[in-house]
Amino acid sequence: GDSVTQMEGPVTLSEEAFLTINCTYTATGYPSLFWYVQYPGEGLQLLLKATKADDKGSNKGFEATYRKETTSFHLEKGSVQVSDSAVYFCALSDQGGSEKLVFGKGTKLTVNP
Amino acid sequence: GAGVSQTPSNKVTEKGKYVELRCDPISGHTALYWYRQSLGQGPEFLIYFQGTGAADDSGLPNDRFFAVRPEGSVSTLKIQRTERGDSAVYLCASSLGSGAQETQYFGPGTRLLVL
Repeated sequence: GDSVTQMEGPVTLSEEAFLTINCTYTATGYPSLFWYVQYPGEGLQLLLKATKADDKGSNKGFEATYRKETTSFHLEKGSVQVSDSAVYFCALSDQGGSEKLVFGKGTKLTVNP
Repeated sequence: GAGVSQTPSNKVTEKGKYVELRCDPISGHTALYWYRQSLGQGPEFLIYFQGTGAADDSGLPNDRFFAVRPEGSVSTLKIQRTERGDSAVYLCASSLGSGAQETQYFGPGTRLLVL
């Protein structure tokens, strides 16, 4: 079945550092790809998405490019802030009809001042 | 506008008891999903409704789990004869439709603890 593998955490960075969180997927067909974020004490929120190969999703300074050839959707940010501390989940949408999301295990990011 | 809401936010029960978890989706959203998130894991799909019908229940772990959405809006997830392994955060999400490009909006979850 479809699956998502993402970089294990936790990841600890200093403010203004560069961030990469790796995500690769296995899927039949051409799923849409998502990054969700869970801030402390809050629910899951969509951070960005890409619906076809070579699309780049972006939001709040974060970017990810849908790479079909490497089945990857790595999350990047050029300069992280303390407020970016959260758990980040990579996900794909199953194309079996329900479009249910298949999530990775999550990567906890802590940004120190 | 109002987001997805879930009640209760926390539920503590004893092994063997019956529990109901409620989800109020965003108004007008026809698709509704239930997921379960165990500690340190990503959410795992349980069931999907399109309107009133369960279009995909392939994620329900066994027949102790059941969900309904009788009027195509509010949904209730029901767990019979709870077990300690059912302890998790149960998440509800809704989307305007069910296409691959649709965004699912998540509620805050119900944290279930089975003693």
